Amino acid sequence: DTGVSQDPRHKITKRGQNVTFRCDPISEHNRLYWYRQTLGQGPEFLTYFQNEAQLEKSRLLSDRFSAERPKGSFSTLEIQRTEQGDSAMYLCAVIGGRLLGSYNEQFFGPGTRLTVL
Amino acid sequence: EDQVTQSPEALRLQEGESSSLNCSYTVSGLRGLFWYRQDPGKGPEFLFTLYSAGEEKEKERLKATLTKKESFLHITAPKPEDSATYLCAVQARDTGGFKTIFGAGTRLFVKA
Repeated sequence: DTGVSQDPRHKITKRGQNVTFRCDPISEHNRLYWYRQTLGQGPEFLTYFQNEAQLEKSRLLSDRFSAERPKGSFSTLEIQRTEQGDSAMYLCAVIGGRLLGSYNEQFFGPGTRLTVL
Repeated sequence: EDQVTQSPEALRLQEGESSSLNCSYTVSGLRGLFWYRQDPGKGPEFLFTLYSAGEEKEKERLKATLTKKESFLHITAPKPEDSATYLCAVQARDTGGFKTIFGAGTRLFVKA
């Protein structure tokens, strides 16, 4: 168990609607990542937080996407005006840290599967 | 351009039929190479980290090796429960820090 939970696990929405996903790691993970994964592909980096600071954003993260980590614990990823091309699995990952006994490897949550109709 | 390529895309084995998965990479400043297992509808599950050429790691029926250009995941006498997608990822230096790049994965099917 990586101790990373994501909510919801599945989301079906209509094109043009806004959606928000949440990632809850156990405490101590100061580095948190968001990835997107489409069918048959590996995860693609979206953005990265060091505590509450968003340090890096991929070119994949259009202005319709916004991520926050207000207190350096849980994080949210919001997609505004969803498009069918946003359909994917959205994964949250943390660097292991002392609790998981590693300092380079990323440990993933179960993901949120988004379907845009 | 930094790149990670996994082959084959899919591999079908009979139970007990050993084989290897390949991950070739072209990155500047490799910090580490990771192997993950991913079951359908779930997040990737960490398996191994390799840091330098010649390094090997083992876990049950899996053994990962690393050279300067590629990594292999050897599966010895696989069982049906080993069926999954195996992802390779490299961590490389980037401006201001480092980045992690994933391959597209190898889908392994093991038939009883």
